[in-house]
Amino acid sequence: DGGITQSPKYLFRKEGQNVTLSCEQNLNHDAMYWYRQDPGQGLRLIYYSQIVNDFQKGDIAEGYSVSREKKESFPLTVTSAQKNPTAFYLCASSIGTYNEKLFFGSGTQLSVL
Amino acid sequence: AQSVTQPDIHITVSEGASLELRCNYSYGATPYLFWYVQSPGQGLQLLLKYFSGDTLVQGIKGFEAEFKRSQSSFNLRKPSVHWSDAAEYFCAVDFNTNAGKSTFGDGTTLTVKP
Repeated sequence: DGGITQSPKYLFRKEGQNVTLSCEQNLNHDAMYWYRQDPGQGLRLIYYSQIVNDFQKGDIAEGYSVSREKKESFPLTVTSAQKNPTAFYLCASSIGTYNEKLFFGSGTQLSVL
Repeated sequence: AQSVTQPDIHITVSEGASLELRCNYSYGATPYLFWYVQSPGQGLQLLLKYFSGDTLVQGIKGFEAEFKRSQSSFNLRKPSVHWSDAAEYFCAVDFNTNAGKSTFGDGTTLTVKP
């Protein structure tokens, strides 16, 4: 079945540590996205990528980094510069044309130890 | 400024009752509109979308939404709620850019009473 796989489902970060969240899709979608979700809030865009080897900052990119070396993969690194990393992180993809719907993974809950 | 508002943080309805979740946006033109549903600890699933044409849009799971240009609204409705509809609902608005830059409302949590 086609879909988006995020791993791990739960992740704990120590002070000063970088952690990487995995996102893989087999939908053959060109565009991929990372969102952050905090309790009681909507989704906020961290980074997005329209095509391999290219990505753009979203609304809250500070303290995060991404790469897009393969069409299927769009990992997100939460760096030590992100002072408030505890949140639910959602990866999504779309065909890439205008206004296409988003397909979401099941999310990663990141907490700080 | 472009914005999306879901006025109701939490709504409780009885099973079998009708449901309406509100969504308003602020934008100078007609945007592209989406409703998503999220179960606890899960990703979001698209319920329906509006791009143009008929202002009453049918979606999955018996949901529908109506676009009202004069009110800048895109309210989600269901005639008879089932217990399995308990979830969080997000309105998203794409201000004529790529869908990944959709602006999401803060969500409405739906509780269904037996």
